[in-house]
Amino acid sequence: TQLLEQSPQFLSIQEGENLTVYCNSSSVFSSLQWYRQEPGEGPVLLVTVVTGGEVKKLKRLTFQFGDARKDSSLHITAAQPGDTGLYLCAGVKKAAGNKLTFGGGTRVLVKP
Amino acid sequence: DVKVTQSSRYLVKRTGEKVFLECVQDMDHENMFWYRQDPGLGLRLIYFSYDVKMKEKGDIPEGYSVSREKKERFSLILESASTNQTSMYLCASSQGTGSLRLHFGNGTRLTVT
Repeated sequence: TQLLEQSPQFLSIQEGENLTVYCNSSSVFSSLQWYRQEPGEGPVLLVTVVTGGEVKKLKRLTFQFGDARKDSSLHITAAQPGDTGLYLCAGVKKAAGNKLTFGGGTRVLVKP
Repeated sequence: DVKVTQSSRYLVKRTGEKVFLECVQDMDHENMFWYRQDPGLGLRLIYFSYDVKMKEKGDIPEGYSVSREKKERFSLILESASTNQTSMYLCASSQGTGSLRLHFGNGTRLTVT
């Protein structure tokens, strides 16, 4: 059982549609990160959320950290083919020496 | 921009071989990490290092060792490769104490036959 559960595991949508990816845990995290990984490349950090209830926007991407700092969501508005990739959430627990724990990932395919 | 370079994109090795995966970063980062990535399991930490000649076990260190003789280079060693070590291996670096912004290489896909 993973500490961070991402859902869905796979999402296929048409260009212009909206999508939401979820990252859930029973543990509290001091912060949470979202990465995107494109085929043949390493993950690239998109955002870090730190405060419970925090919302951050990055163009068409909206990231939210749950009030209890146990969960997070990523919402993409009007998805484009360039949004295709593997989205990974990663939580930080100070008690674990500030190491990152990654979720299993959500593979997003945006079809033109 | 930080560049993290992994020496091989693809490797095919036989069971029992000793395997070296090399990683170099060019931004004088203190911290370096080795992860393996398997479908549905995300990234799992194998080993990390906060300084030269220093190493710490991650979540799945069994069957692996590491070496950090120079600040910019972090090597992952499979002493005797096994088929269950077939995976994508990702190296990452980050700057300074407490920095959690990881910069990843493009990965090495290792197949052990």
